[in-house]
Parts: sequence; structure tokens; C-alpha cells
Amino acid sequence: DIQMTQSPSTLSASVGDRVTITCRASQNVGHYLVWYQQKPGKAPKVVIYQASQSRVSSRISGSGSGTEFTLTINSLQPDDFATYYCQEYSTYGGTFGQGTRVDI
Amino acid sequence: EGQLSESGGALVQPGKPLTLSCVVSGFTFITYGMSWVRQLPGKGLEWVATSGPGVGRTFYADSVKGRFNISRDVSRDTLFLQMNSLTVEDTAVYYCARDIRGHEGWYFDLWGRGTLVSVS
Repeated sequence: DIQMTQSPSTLSASVGDRVTITCRASQNVGHYLVWYQQKPGKAPKVVIYQASQSRVSSRISGSGSGTEFTLTINSLQPDDFATYYCQEYSTYGGTFGQGTRVDI
Repeated sequence: EGQLSESGGALVQPGKPLTLSCVVSGFTFITYGMSWVRQLPGKGLEWVATSGPGVGRTFYADSVKGRFNISRDVSRDTLFLQMNSLTVEDTAVYYCARDIRGHEGWYFDLWGRGTLVSVS
């Protein structure tokens, strides 16, 4: 099974900051990597798919391929404070990372 | 865009069965793969089961294989998850989700609000 490791687990930041979250796969997943944003009590929402395709905001971008991926949020806004999960979908079922909580 | 609405979550005793339902609207149900994904209390996300598009194949996580059964009723636009031999480790919020295929896997582009299953 593929393992997905996110870092950091928690990230403290301020409005206006630029933050980066890393997701590493235990084996090559190509560009089959999606990032979700989840707020407390809500379902996850896709923010990036296919490693770098943005679904929501031009301030949120993704990069990487193979085994190392990053999610970058520029000019952090109050609405961006949430938990972010990566998930590979190169194999059936897919594996999620453990999540990165972005706190104020 | 589409909407998913889960129901059926409850407090159940270990070993008992429970069936979850997910009513779909706003898109052509039969053309999409559909999945259940769960989130343990205060924890991360775990894929549980998938029903492929049409009368496609079903797939299960090892942790539920042989105990859970995913099915769909196309006439009612409803996805089901029959859960048997429940254990405390199955306690979670269960989300219904729509699949987008990748290489051999899929990600989830539409989610319901979730339904809580507590096994105790």
C-alpha cells in the first residue's frame, strides 16, 4: 500500500502570510494527487486536483509529481484557516495523508 | 452541480448491523462511481468502499472487507452501505462521495454532509 506523509501536522500563521504544506508518497503516484480543505463540522472540499489544477482560488496552488508535492497558499485569508489533506489516486481506493491544520 | 444527502447513522452495539443511505440529486447517478469515506473522531480520512459506475465493480478497504457491502438502487438514486459485525473501531462520520477517476484510482469531487455512526 502507498503511504502518504504530510508535513507539518500543524502550522501557525497569520493573515497575509504565505504557507507551504508538503505531501510525500512512499512510491511514485505520477500527478494523481488531490488536495482537500476541511473546516470543522464540514465535509472536505477539493482545492487542487491532478497535483496542480486549481479548483477554487488563484491564491492556492499545487505543484509536484512522482513522490513529492506541495500546496502553497499565498496571502493567507481568514477563510483559509482549516485542515488540508492530500490524497493519491493512482491506485484503487487511494490513500489520504494525515492532515495539516493551519491555525491562526 | 449535484447534492448528496446521507442518513442512517446511529448509536449501535458492537456486533450489530446498520445500513446507511445516500440520496443523490442533480447529476446522472449511474454514470459515476460512488464511494463511502469515513472520518474517525478527531482523526483523518479513510476510504471505505466504492461502487463503480453503471453496474460496475465494487471495491473495499481491507478494514471492512467481508463485513460491509456497498450497493446502489438506480431507480431511487440511492447509494447504500450495509455494515455488519460493527466494532468500536468503526465509530466515525461516514461521508457519501462522488468519484472522479484517475489512473487506477479516484478522488472525491462532491461530498455529502456526513452521518455519524457510534459503536458502543
